[in-house]
Amino acid sequence: EDQVTQSPEALRLQEGESSSLNCSYTVSGLRGLFWYRQDPGKGPEFLFTLYSAGEEKEKERLKATLTKKESFLHITAPKPEDSATYLCAGRGGATNKLIFGTGTLLAVQP
Amino acid sequence: NAGVTQTPKFQVLKTGQSMTLQCAQDMNHEYMSWYRQDPGMGLRLIHYSVGAGITDQGEVPNGYNVSRSTTEDFPLRLLSAAPSQTSVYFCASSREAAEPYGYTFGSGTRLTVV
Repeated sequence: EDQVTQSPEALRLQEGESSSLNCSYTVSGLRGLFWYRQDPGKGPEFLFTLYSAGEEKEKERLKATLTKKESFLHITAPKPEDSATYLCAGRGGATNKLIFGTGTLLAVQP
Repeated sequence: NAGVTQTPKFQVLKTGQSMTLQCAQDMNHEYMSWYRQDPGMGLRLIHYSVGAGITDQGEVPNGYNVSRSTTEDFPLRLLSAAPSQTSVYFCASSREAAEPYGYTFGSGTRLTVV
């Protein structure tokens, strides 16, 4: 069964304390791994798309990487405004639709 | 540029009532879709459309209808609301289904069925 699993469910960091969020996937014929940010009461906002193992994308304090089984979202020296839920999704499988994980709730304390 | 606009933002329905969740986009996107988001579960696809006049079912279509008469609008109809349909509903759009730059999501409709 095609599946995307994110860990941890929740993460609390101090401002400036770098860490990584994990997205494990078992999506047959992966045609893109997507990262979104979701603020409370808002819809998800697109961050990155990764297509092949070894690929990396960066945006400000965020860097996404992809292997054949996982994707990581590295957050370097986070600030309180980075607090949000981060969603991972893989496109592929029999339907070629996005399969979303349940997200990681990140809280960055000043 | 408004992006994707969803109305209403909040709604309470009684079991058995029907209603329509509205979604409109002003980006001339061909692909539009509806998702529901429930605690502890990832976003799940309800219905989608690859262009005006074309719709198809997603992962959880039962109890919902859609139509796409224009490029801009993609309403979601609840035929006979049930408590299991209590959820947050998101509409999303993109230039194409396999959009490499991700989908643009609306801000959601929080629906409670009592």
